[in-house]
Amino acid sequence: QKEVEQNSGPLSVPEGAIASLNCTYSDRGSQSFFWYRQYSGKSPELIMSIYSNGDKEDGRFTAQLNKASQYVSLLIRDSQPSDSATYLCAVNEDNYQLIWGAGTKLIIKP
Amino acid sequence: SAVISQKPSRDICQRGTSLTIQCQVDSQVTMMFWYRQQPGQSLTLIATANQGSEATYESGFVIDKFPISRPNLTFSTLTVSNMSPEDSSIYLCSVGGITDTEAFFGQGTRLTVV
Repeated sequence: QKEVEQNSGPLSVPEGAIASLNCTYSDRGSQSFFWYRQYSGKSPELIMSIYSNGDKEDGRFTAQLNKASQYVSLLIRDSQPSDSATYLCAVNEDNYQLIWGAGTKLIIKP
Repeated sequence: SAVISQKPSRDICQRGTSLTIQCQVDSQVTMMFWYRQQPGQSLTLIATANQGSEATYESGFVIDKFPISRPNLTFSTLTVSNMSPEDSSIYLCSVGGITDTEAFFGQGTRLTVV
């Protein structure tokens, strides 16, 4: 059974600080990794994708991938109250199907 | 990405009735999926909608309860049949294979069964 694990939170971070979200996956053969943000009552939206070991930066967001440790993380710098949402980690299986984590609820405190 | 239009956005239905949810994409896509999301929970894949053939259902979901159509590469429907309060949930249409293996979602349908 392929699994993606996330801490459900809530993770509370002061405004302006760095929020660190973590995800582990069970299938060592996985090749594609994604972070989605989901606001309450809305559908998930893709914010980051990463395919190779190392860091990938996009604005205030940095995704980190370590395939040896089967670990993916998302860092949000200069956290804003608008970043408060549930963050879902997803890992590609096959035929474009994704395996989803349970999501981490992030709360940014003003 | 793609523009994915899902409707209705919400509905309140009587138990025992059926509701059909539509998903329209503004371009041809390889893969279309239907998910269910219970409040506070993650996404559960119901089925993969296959163009021109029967959908592929995940464990715990059956065609009689969740019939799916996909007549072409831009459109799919999910029907929730003989509804009970346990079917109250958010149903999401998703597409994949546009640029890579990532998924994009419609706005979702919030279903309440009374």
